[in-house]
Amino acid sequence: DIQMTQSPSSLSASVGDRVTITCRASQSLSGYLNWYQQKTGKAPKLLIYAASSLQSGVPTRFSGSGSGTDFTLTISSLQPEDFATYYCLQTYSMPRTFGQGTRVEVK
Amino acid sequence: EVQLVESGGGLVRPGGSLRLSCAASGFTFANYRMNWVRQAPGKGLEWVSSISSSSSTIYYADSIKGRFTIFRDNAKNLLYLQINSLRPEDTAVYYCARETERPWTFDFWGQGTMVTVSS
Repeated sequence: DIQMTQSPSSLSASVGDRVTITCRASQSLSGYLNWYQQKTGKAPKLLIYAASSLQSGVPTRFSGSGSGTDFTLTISSLQPEDFATYYCLQTYSMPRTFGQGTRVEVK
Repeated sequence: EVQLVESGGGLVRPGGSLRLSCAASGFTFANYRMNWVRQAPGKGLEWVSSISSSSSTIYYADSIKGRFTIFRDNAKNLLYLQINSLRPEDTAVYYCARETERPWTFDFWGQGTMVTVSS
């Protein structure tokens, strides 16, 4: 099974900050890495697929990068509605595996 | 509009059973692989099971193998998860999620149904 290590587990930031979250896979994913945002009591929402492709309707302040085993989600200028928990998901192989999540909190 | 609506959750005693359903609409259900993902209270997301569009390939997480069964009815646009021998650690919100191909991603999720296992 592919293990996904996401970091940090939480971070504190202010509106306007640049935020970076990373996911490291235990083996190469050939780009099959996705990023989700989840707000309390809600279903996850797809932000980025195939490592760097922005899902339709997602603000352009969100971006993804990386290849092989190391991937990054960046929020260029944090907005009030971005305080949430973020997860990575690998869809390279079965079983699908998620990162542990990163909670983005108000500083 | 793509919609996925889960139902069937509830309070069940350890050792009991439940059948969760996910009703799909707004897309050609028979063309998509579908997944179940769960989230224990205050915890992260855990992939549970996956079924291909024709039900020809099925996968399970090791944590639930042998106790959960995924199946689908393409004529009725329904996805199911039969969960048996429930344990307290199965307490979670259970989500169904649609998976696209090339690139593979979970693009739409239902709102979830809560399963609570307690005596």
